[in-house]
Amino acid sequence: KQEVTQIPAALSVPEGENLVLNCSFTDSAIYNLQWFRQDPGKGLTSLLLIQSSQREQTSGRLNASLDKSSGRSTLYIAASQPGDSATYLCAANSQGAQKLVFGQGTRLTINP
Amino acid sequence: EADIYQTPRYLVIGTGKKITLECSQTMGHDKMYWYQQDPGMELHLIHYSYGVNSTEKGDLSSESTVSRIRTEHFPLTLESARPSHTSQYLCASGPQGRGLGNYNEQFFGPGTRLTVL
Repeated sequence: KQEVTQIPAALSVPEGENLVLNCSFTDSAIYNLQWFRQDPGKGLTSLLLIQSSQREQTSGRLNASLDKSSGRSTLYIAASQPGDSATYLCAANSQGAQKLVFGQGTRLTINP
Repeated sequence: EADIYQTPRYLVIGTGKKITLECSQTMGHDKMYWYQQDPGMELHLIHYSYGVNSTEKGDLSSESTVSRIRTEHFPLTLESARPSHTSQYLCASGPQGRGLGNYNEQFFGPGTRLTVL
């Protein structure tokens, strides 16, 4: 059974810093991994999706990587801004499953 | 503009009432999902559908029911609401696999925050 873990649960950094959010998954047989952002009381916004054949995806200041062999994905945020403050979730889609398995998220705070 | 919509955004009702949470998407997606999320907690899948007339229960047992009569519409119904149903309900949709088997990408609506008194 796939399990997804995100550590740390919360992270606070000064504005302008580059940072990395971590996502670990137990079953390396995945089809794709998706990163989301969630603002308080809102729905999830899809940020990046990495297919199993890819090693990374980029969108603006965001870069997501995937290492299936080690069961890890990272989300790199460059030049962080206060508007980046939100909870970031990763979700893995395992082979043989029809559902995404979500991590518990990392709550990110960017201090001006 | 292709999007996914949920109504109402906020709902406060009394115990015992029947409610329906609406979810519609204009993205032409076959797959649709309902999640339940308590504040600050993880998402739990409660229902999903692969297409018209297809509905399945998710990982978290729920007293709610769903229907999928039209591709774009996936309503969730609680026959008799209770305070324990107080939560945020998130609807999502996604395309069928593009030659990658269980390829699964999901897009979320804004959510409905339900409070049962």
